[in-house]
Amino acid sequence: DVKVTQSSRYLVKRTGEKVFLECVQDMDHENMFWYRQDPGLGLRLIYFSYDVKMKEKGDIPEGYSVSREKKERFSLILESASTNQTSMYLCASRSPMTGQSSYEQYFGPGTRLTVT
Amino acid sequence: AQKVTQAQTEISVVEKEDVTLDCVYETRDTTYYLFWYKQPPSGELVFLIRRNSFDEQNEISGRYSWNFQKSTSSFNFTITASQVVDSAVYFCALSLRISSGSARQLTFGSGTQLTVLP
Repeated sequence: DVKVTQSSRYLVKRTGEKVFLECVQDMDHENMFWYRQDPGLGLRLIYFSYDVKMKEKGDIPEGYSVSREKKERFSLILESASTNQTSMYLCASRSPMTGQSSYEQYFGPGTRLTVT
Repeated sequence: AQKVTQAQTEISVVEKEDVTLDCVYETRDTTYYLFWYKQPPSGELVFLIRRNSFDEQNEISGRYSWNFQKSTSSFNFTITASQVVDSAVYFCALSLRISSGSARQLTFGSGTQLTVLP
């Protein structure tokens, strides 16, 4: 069974703190993604990585950075947390595209982060 | 720009009613993929279906069916004889080609909250 885990389901941090959100997948997938989910906005892509040490900005990268040192782990870092980063954060992984076949992303359970 | 619109923010139905969730997309790509995901109260997104832009055949899986129409850029999802366990947020998503790397990112709609009442 496909498995994507996230280090915490709920997290409360203070403004200005450095925050690490960890994501681990056990499917040997090359591609990994970080989204945030806000009411009325759906899921928005923050960063993604298509291989170890590779990263690409998504639609809303400001205030975030990522780290991918190992294939199975993709970390999202909030350098200095702010209240507008209070949100649900979802990690996903996927095998790479081959030919014309498509593929789905597998999601973790999410981390609900509150910044006070 | 690519965009996915789910105009229905919330829908409530009574158990056993049929319900259709609308999804309209915009893309200039000729090759794309459409997805539906379900997010139950537990929070984890569950993949339901993937559709290739080359294949306009409708699909049925148990009580679920999907109607893909390229002419209207729509990919609607129907649940027949709804059940309380169908209550969830449903997301439609579009998979695009990006300029760098091999990955394709998903663009999500804003989601539709479906509540099925007993």
